[in-house]
Amino acid sequence: ETGVTQSPTHLIKTRGQQVTLRCSSQSGHNTVSWYQQALGQGPQFIFQYYREEENGRGNFPPRFSGLQFPNYSSELNVNALELDDSALYLCASSFPGVETQYFGPGTRLLVL
Amino acid sequence: GENVEQHPSTLSVQEGDSAVIKCTYSDSASNYFPWYKQELGKRPQLIIDIRSNVGEKKDQRIAVTLNKTAKHFSLHITETQPEDSAVYFCAASNREESSGDKLTFGTGTRLAVRP
Repeated sequence: ETGVTQSPTHLIKTRGQQVTLRCSSQSGHNTVSWYQQALGQGPQFIFQYYREEENGRGNFPPRFSGLQFPNYSSELNVNALELDDSALYLCASSFPGVETQYFGPGTRLLVL
Repeated sequence: GENVEQHPSTLSVQEGDSAVIKCTYSDSASNYFPWYKQELGKRPQLIIDIRSNVGEKKDQRIAVTLNKTAKHFSLHITETQPEDSAVYFCAASNREESSGDKLTFGTGTRLAVRP
């Protein structure tokens, strides 16, 4: 079992609200990626953080933003929530210079 | 950008039989190909990965093959067991791209192993 943790496990919000999801990466991992997984689909890349800087972004609007902290933990913020934002949000961490990504358990977000 | 197609979407096999899942990718610059297993309500777990400088990799009952010319890679599970039942995702990435280590996933294969 990996050491990547996420909080909260479940969250219910209403349309237009804002949400913050949190991820603690595995010890020694300095790169964190965030993915959105809609029901029945594969994960979709949102963005990646390396040494507290965004290091790549997928096709998601600016209302999806993130942070990485000096201890390599990370936050995903989503503003102006829409119904289609309902999904499982996964973070994944990796060692410096290694492509292998290890996923956390995810946060299931429901937007009503 | 990269596009990964995965087939079949569902697969049912008898316990002890082999299962094969196939993926194709579009970007010839992709150089890393992991496979993840996701059980219901759980996180994707890496089961095997292969880099573009290798044509085949094996780990006990699981093997992955890569054909760079045809841009496809496959997961082979031998002697399947009921606990192999899950959704399997292939993925591809290209570290040289500006998007960091972005993994592009296939749409998944739901494998059911009948006891």
